[in-house]
Amino acid sequence: GAGVSQSPRYKVAKRGQDVALRCDPISGHVSLFWYQQALGQGPEFLTYFQNEAQLDKSGLPSDRFFAERPEGSVSTLKIQRTQQEDSAVYLCASSPLRLRNTEAFFGQGTRLTVV
Amino acid sequence: TQLLEQSPQFLSIQEGENLTVYCNSSSVFSSLQWYRQEPGEGPVLLVTVVTGGEVKKLKRLTFQFGDARKDSSLHITAAQPGDTGLYLCAGGRGYGGATNKLIFGTGTLLAVQP
Repeated sequence: GAGVSQSPRYKVAKRGQDVALRCDPISGHVSLFWYQQALGQGPEFLTYFQNEAQLDKSGLPSDRFFAERPEGSVSTLKIQRTQQEDSAVYLCASSPLRLRNTEAFFGQGTRLTVV
Repeated sequence: TQLLEQSPQFLSIQEGENLTVYCNSSSVFSSLQWYRQEPGEGPVLLVTVVTGGEVKKLKRLTFQFGDARKDSSLHITAAQPGDTGLYLCAGGRGYGGATNKLIFGTGTLLAVQP
């Protein structure tokens, strides 16, 4: 596709429910990032993939968060047993492999509300 | 934990005024990017600076990277209502010379009143 596509755009989950958020990166982009963004704040890094390899998952807030990118393209962020504090916008970004000054292209995000 | 602090956090100004947004850190970054984000959308890249002391201009926007590559500023001249949005700086941390992990600042919410 022309840009990064995320689905669903909005998700309402009951506390304790599992959710799966999907990201379709720009075709051919090697790098893929997931970020969590609270209202009016900057995005906070969750995890990073280079192709199918998850090189950094230091930002995942708990073991309830899990991300995968099995074929080096589409990625899924899964949250198990959702809690109210998980409510946020989840942003996915992709970028080509490039030295130093990489531009990240962001999707529109998935707004998750846990009730 | 945000390593990049932006100031001010909120800014409401009248059309035609000038403004400066600051992005500060105690860490050194290999590159610094500025993004603008509108409600319901993802951040969109405005500029990338990579050299200490570098200044880049994009129409009415002027970006500067600090000499020590720890801080940056964004100056907008004659602000317009279309400049309204959340401005984010993001520092690049290389993975052994490959693509950057971007660490975002705390954000500056700008509202330009007509």
